[in-house]
Amino acid sequence: NAGVTQTPKFRVLKTGQSMTLLCAQDMNHEYMYWYRQDPGMGLRLIHYSVGEGTTAKGEVPDGYNVSRLKKQNFLLGLESAAPSQTSVYFCAVRGVNQPQHFGDGTRLSIL
Amino acid sequence: LAKTTQPISMDSYEGQEVNITCSHNNIATNDYITWYQQFPSQGPRFIIQGYKTKVTNEVASLFIPADRKSSTLSLPRVSLSDTAVYYCLVGGNYGGSQGNLIFGKGTKLSVKP
Repeated sequence: NAGVTQTPKFRVLKTGQSMTLLCAQDMNHEYMYWYRQDPGMGLRLIHYSVGEGTTAKGEVPDGYNVSRLKKQNFLLGLESAAPSQTSVYFCAVRGVNQPQHFGDGTRLSIL
Repeated sequence: LAKTTQPISMDSYEGQEVNITCSHNNIATNDYITWYQQFPSQGPRFIIQGYKTKVTNEVASLFIPADRKSSTLSLPRVSLSDTAVYYCLVGGNYGGSQGNLIFGKGTKLSVKP
């Protein structure tokens, strides 16, 4: 999955803590997405961005915030982490008229 | 929103052709159909994409009937390395809304020797 880098790869948080996940791309693509994947649930869209400075809600946005201040970076924030947010988070990017390309994920555990 | 439905699991043997069908009854006019493959601890990897009829690339074929309410991913002559989860994704491309990206729950394909 060259071109889409997620940071960090693993993280353990305590309930109520905050953190930010970073997705960085070097492909100059317009569209960026954040998904979460839980066992047996497939991938669910949290937030997405169609360009620098724009964000929008996906299927499961509650408890998360995002920012796209620079075209190459899409940040996913948890202001007050909850155990229900324990999941694997995937970032995806895509160019115009192209399919999505995914990063390798961030595994987040909230105790 | 175009909800998708796939079989939970499938078994096959090396060398066989595998067909995985995804149902998407509420697909919108602008929606494309995309299939991804996912191995454990990795992000999904693009396999093939189509809008209607048939699409073929070096690894798979995608069959889409005229009503577009389903699609079938065909993997010719599978090998052990094709053991993975396969996801059908409908929506989000080519000017359509990006917020209606709906993944199915995936089909776990197990290929046996």
